[in-house]
Amino acid sequence: AQTVTQSQPEMSVQEAETVTLSCTYDTSESDYYLFWYKQPPSRQMILVIRQEAYKQQNATENRFSVNFQKAAKSFSLKISDSQLGDAAMYFCAYRSEKGSQGNLIFGKGTKLSVKP
Amino acid sequence: GAVVSQHPSWVICKSGTSVKIECRSLDFQATTMFWYRQFPKQSLMLMATSNEGSKATYEQGVEKDKFLINHASLTLSTLTVTSAHPEDSSFYICSASTSGGVFNEQFFGPGTRLTVL
Repeated sequence: AQTVTQSQPEMSVQEAETVTLSCTYDTSESDYYLFWYKQPPSRQMILVIRQEAYKQQNATENRFSVNFQKAAKSFSLKISDSQLGDAAMYFCAYRSEKGSQGNLIFGKGTKLSVKP
Repeated sequence: GAVVSQHPSWVICKSGTSVKIECRSLDFQATTMFWYRQFPKQSLMLMATSNEGSKATYEQGVEKDKFLINHASLTLSTLTVTSAHPEDSSFYICSASTSGGVFNEQFFGPGTRLTVL
């Protein structure tokens, strides 16, 4: 079975600085998707960025980018120019490409604080 | 983007009563809907997956008779917590996805906070 591990329960960053959140996963599959979700205090899950495993190019969405290392099964999220609104729980998630209905497997999350 | 709503957003009930939570996809047809449970400061735990017109598939350890899931249409799924007890108090989140998209992305509802007294 696939697992997702986020080893940083909490992280803190100064406003305008850069922070990297770590995520590793375990799978025997070659085709899958990886996601980072943000959950602010409102509890609404918001998709931040996604990556297809077959793509070597790292995904980027404005200030958010990932470092996808397939061989190492690592999928870290980099937030540049951190803003106060970035403060939230961040969940890394895995989804199999085959043989499933799209179930997401979540890590335990990293709580990000942004200091003004 | 696709919008998923949940109703109610917050419910308080007495122990032993049943509570129904609705999940609706407002601007797309959801072939698959997912129900998650989230305890304070914890991650989302998948409870069950449902396809329109079919019985839900429950995750191991989730009581089917306690958490009744109905996916009667392509825009509506309901979760009924039967004979609720204080330990059922939690945050319940639904998500919906549609086939045909590149990612079959899940769109999440805003969640329902259930408090059982």
